[in-house]
Amino acid sequence: NAGVTQTPKFRVLKTGQSMTLLCAQDMNHEYMYWYRQDPGMGLRLIHYSVGEGTTAKGEVPDGYNVSRLKKQNFLLGLESAAPSQTSVYFCASSRGPASRYIAKNIQYFGAGTRLSVL
Amino acid sequence: DAKTTQPPSMDCAEGRAANLPCNHSTISGNEYVYWYRQIHSQGPQYIIHGLKNNETNEMASLIITEDRKSSTLILPHATLRDTAVYYCIVIQGAQKLVFGQGTRLTINP
Repeated sequence: NAGVTQTPKFRVLKTGQSMTLLCAQDMNHEYMYWYRQDPGMGLRLIHYSVGEGTTAKGEVPDGYNVSRLKKQNFLLGLESAAPSQTSVYFCASSRGPASRYIAKNIQYFGAGTRLSVL
Repeated sequence: DAKTTQPPSMDCAEGRAANLPCNHSTISGNEYVYWYRQIHSQGPQYIIHGLKNNETNEMASLIITEDRKSSTLILPHATLRDTAVYYCIVIQGAQKLVFGQGTRLTINP
């Protein structure tokens, strides 16, 4: 049981290049999330998905696109990378929503992708 | 939505209990308190959660005050591998965890 797997682990891009980060989960979770983490800061939500074929914006969505064509996969795309997108990206999945009133909707995180944009 | 306040850093000796406090004075009646931790360069890891009663699992214990305005995460016998940033989170909104700055816990040999 691999849990949440992110590929690639590291990537260096030049400004203006594009790339796609892949997140795969094998827990049959409905919800998936993309976060970014910058030095000295907590995680910030970029986009999330509540099920196959659906996506929604999080706290910092600008400059990113996502797709959830299959339940187990959640893709994060950078169409034209900028130095401000240099960060560590984490994917997570959960059985259901991180709701106020539903207990144990725990998010499981991948190991992260370190992206540098020069 | 409730916000949380944690000390930026703490130290603890190996083998001793590590007690990490969290204030959430604006928590509403049905909001849960979750704790996650992030070991250097890894993804966050769920530790424990609670509503009103104290909770214990194989990793830690969670003590929530009777008025629910604060809580304490207890690692009963801290090891060097427990060195990490610990996040106290009160669920906000329908779909997101809000990670603040957390507490950087250093376990010293």
